[in-house]
Amino acid sequence: QKEVEQNSGPLSVPEGAIASLNCTYSDRGSQSFFWYRQYSGKSPELIMSIYSNGDKEDGRFTAQLNKASQYVSLLIRDSQPSDSATYLCAVKDEGSYIPTFGRGTSLIVHP
Amino acid sequence: EPEVTQTPSHQVTQMGQEVILRCVPISNHLYFYWYRQILGQKVEFLVSFYNNEISEKSEIFDDQFSVERPDGSNFTLKIRSTKLEDSAMYFCASSQRGGNLVILSGYTFGSGTRLTVV
Repeated sequence: QKEVEQNSGPLSVPEGAIASLNCTYSDRGSQSFFWYRQYSGKSPELIMSIYSNGDKEDGRFTAQLNKASQYVSLLIRDSQPSDSATYLCAVKDEGSYIPTFGRGTSLIVHP
Repeated sequence: EPEVTQTPSHQVTQMGQEVILRCVPISNHLYFYWYRQILGQKVEFLVSFYNNEISEKSEIFDDQFSVERPDGSNFTLKIRSTKLEDSAMYFCASSQRGGNLVILSGYTFGSGTRLTVV
């Protein structure tokens, strides 16, 4: 059974701070990693994908992957109240069409 | 930007009735999926569909469920004899690639259909 674990939160940060969201996964064969943002009552929206160890930056977002330790994280710099949402980690192995989602971490950015 | 379109946005049905949830995937996408999310729970995979057949399905996707691509654009999920526990948000998704090829952009999800079984 593949597991993707996230702290449900809520994680509360002040506006302008760095929000750090973490995700661990159980399957060492995992190859593709995704971060989705989901506003309440809305569909998941892809923010970042990462496939190689290290950091990947896109604007205010940085995804970090460490396959040896089986974790992937998402950093949000200069957090804004509009970043308040649930962030879903999804993990996929090469042999499957299907990513496994974590439960998500609720992020609250307060002014 | 291309979108995955789902209708209806909200469906209320009586227990035991059949419902059909509709999706129009992005036109050049080849892989189609249904997911569900019970309120407050994780996004759960139901089924994937490629080349006019089911390619993978989860334990949730039992005989109560079926999928169909009746024409070149629509992708439907039918739930027979609905139960209270079928109440959830159902998301359709599509992707250009899948399987052993690296999915470069993840899935594009539709806005979802909220199914309420009463």
